[in-house]
Amino acid sequence: AAGVIQSPRHLIKEKRETATLKCYPIPRHDTVYWYQQGPGQDPQFLISFYEKMQSDKGSIPDRFSAQQFSDYHSELNMSSLELGDSALYFCASSSDRSSYNEQFFGPGTRLTVL
Amino acid sequence: GENVEQHPSTLSVQEGDSAVIKCTYSDSASNYFPWYKQELGKGPQLIIDIRSNVGEKKDQRIAVTLNKTAKHFSLHITETQPEDSAVYFCAALAGTDSWGKLQFGAGTQVVVTP
Repeated sequence: AAGVIQSPRHLIKEKRETATLKCYPIPRHDTVYWYQQGPGQDPQFLISFYEKMQSDKGSIPDRFSAQQFSDYHSELNMSSLELGDSALYFCASSSDRSSYNEQFFGPGTRLTVL
Repeated sequence: GENVEQHPSTLSVQEGDSAVIKCTYSDSASNYFPWYKQELGKGPQLIIDIRSNVGEKKDQRIAVTLNKTAKHFSLHITETQPEDSAVYFCAALAGTDSWGKLQFGAGTQVVVTP
């Protein structure tokens, strides 16, 4: 079965640079979630989209923005990168906004800020 | 907001023994409780979930129980195998005003020794 696709899988950036992470949800999934996971920590919710509209927002810095496109893929844009932004970034998708639908996670993008 | 606590943080078991991980949550409005298994360098994989109208659910060697009154839920793995070694996260779907936002526990590192 098709899974969530994330690209790139690894990304190395310098401080103050920008980064764009991409997420392609499971086919026919219309809801996308972004999570950040620091070393040895649990995933922290950043932001979610349903039908191309932002549906919820968590602890996402103002330097970050995201959107969902007409084909339901999503991009997380990160500017003025800081050392503390180094983490695994996961995208998850589900089939609709209902609270009873499972979230399936992608393999993640490992961002390293030097 | 929702707060999820998970214990223990590490768990070492002999192959063939059982493993139990416990979680508590704070928001009585939470109604969906998934469990994820995360192997090193990979995304969290949904292994089982339970909804608030069910007290117990089983899938082969894995079972989850939910006590809504006490606001706690547990993961039980029987006949553990070395491939069960991973970090396990419990999660709760935050209350009705946070669509699809998962609040994770801190994780349990499970090590199964042959």
